[in-house]
Amino acid sequence: AQTVTQSQPEMSVQEAETVTLSCTYDTSESNYYLFWYKQPPSRQMILVIRQEAYKQQNATENRFSVNFQKAAKSFSLKISDSQLGDTAMYFCAFMKTQGGSEKLVFGKGTKLTVNP
Amino acid sequence: EPEVTQTPSHQVTQMGQEVILRCVPISNHLYFYWYRQILGQKVEFLVSFYNNEISEKSEIFDDQFSVERPDGSNFTLKIRSTKLEDSAMYFCASPPGGQVETQYFGPGTRLLVL
Repeated sequence: AQTVTQSQPEMSVQEAETVTLSCTYDTSESNYYLFWYKQPPSRQMILVIRQEAYKQQNATENRFSVNFQKAAKSFSLKISDSQLGDTAMYFCAFMKTQGGSEKLVFGKGTKLTVNP
Repeated sequence: EPEVTQTPSHQVTQMGQEVILRCVPISNHLYFYWYRQILGQKVEFLVSFYNNEISEKSEIFDDQFSVERPDGSNFTLKIRSTKLEDSAMYFCASPPGGQVETQYFGPGTRLLVL
């Protein structure tokens, strides 16, 4: 079974600064996807970024980027130029894939607070 | 981001009552998922549904739970006899056609069992 570990229960950052959230996972699968989801106080789950395991290039989405280290099974999220609206829970998630869609396995989350 | 809607947004029920949570995914979707998040905890997989059949279910998804797609569009999760520990946020998720690896979540239904 796959497991996802987020070792930082809470983090804080000053507005406009950069913060990195950590995620490690354990799997014997060779083909999989990794995701970061954001959950603001409204509790909606919002997709932030996606990484295909077979791609060496790290995914980026505007101010959000990942550092994907496949051998180390590490998938960290970097948020640049942090904004107050980035305050939320961030969940790392794993999905194996065999050509179709599979369930997501989530970590316990990191609560990020952006301070003015 | 593709839209998945859920109703109701909030539901309060008495222990032992039946509840039905509804999800309306984007058209032409084939895969559907239900997840649960107890307050302050991580999101947990309940069940996946593909081609009008359950494809996988978790240990949480016991005989009290059922899913169906009664009219070909709405996708429902039924809890037959609710327990206090069923109080949670319930999310429906679905990947759009052509991008099955990426699940988009609905806004969730907040269920409170008293």
